Amino acid sequence: EVQLVESGGDLVAPGGSLRLSCVASGFTFSSYNMDWIRQAPGKGLEWVSHITSNSDTTHYADSVRGRFTVSRDNAKDSLYLQMNSLRAEDTAVYYCVRNWNGRNDYWGQGNLVTVSS
Amino acid sequence: EIMLTQSPAILSLSPGERATLSCRASQSVRSFLAWFQQKPGQAPRLLIFDASNRATGTPARFSGSGSGTDFTLTISSLEPEDFAVYFCQQRYNWPLTFGGGTKVEIK
Repeated sequence: EVQLVESGGDLVAPGGSLRLSCVASGFTFSSYNMDWIRQAPGKGLEWVSHITSNSDTTHYADSVRGRFTVSRDNAKDSLYLQMNSLRAEDTAVYYCVRNWNGRNDYWGQGNLVTVSS
Repeated sequence: EIMLTQSPAILSLSPGERATLSCRASQSVRSFLAWFQQKPGQAPRLLIFDASNRATGTPARFSGSGSGTDFTLTISSLEPEDFAVYFCQQRYNWPLTFGGGTKVEIK
């Protein structure tokens, strides 16, 4: 069974930093591209970042480029999102999502990040 | 950035009725469009990929159609568990974008 388990979400002050983690199981993690997608409370979905299976290519939404960094450790079946210079508008549930040939087929349960003073 | 506009925002129907949801793209996305279902407190679930292909576990009452800029998700006969929010998403180019969602509620 495919499982994606996020952790690291917390309450952080504006301007602060946070690192999200996602541990994958039930599939060969190193063979799949991965995405982070977020959802502000009561709002729609916003794609945040993408990383290829071997980390050679990354993409970011304009809203986070230069502040967020996606990375992975295939030996640990883990995906990360380093978030710096956090803003109130970054408050959201962050989902770790498998990307199978461009399709977001499996989602983690989500992890809440709250940016507030 | 490709904008996706979903309509209607809210669809009020009774169990057993047919639901027709629309997603319109600001430019052609060919057939690179997916549909997701989200229930309260849950992560989204992939229903349809590449416009018309049902994902594993998607019941046959769900069907997708369209290409280019106009897409439709049809639920042939609503079951109680189908009342939820539905999002479309394009993967034609970066950034990936989502529509604002259609809430299918019980009338």
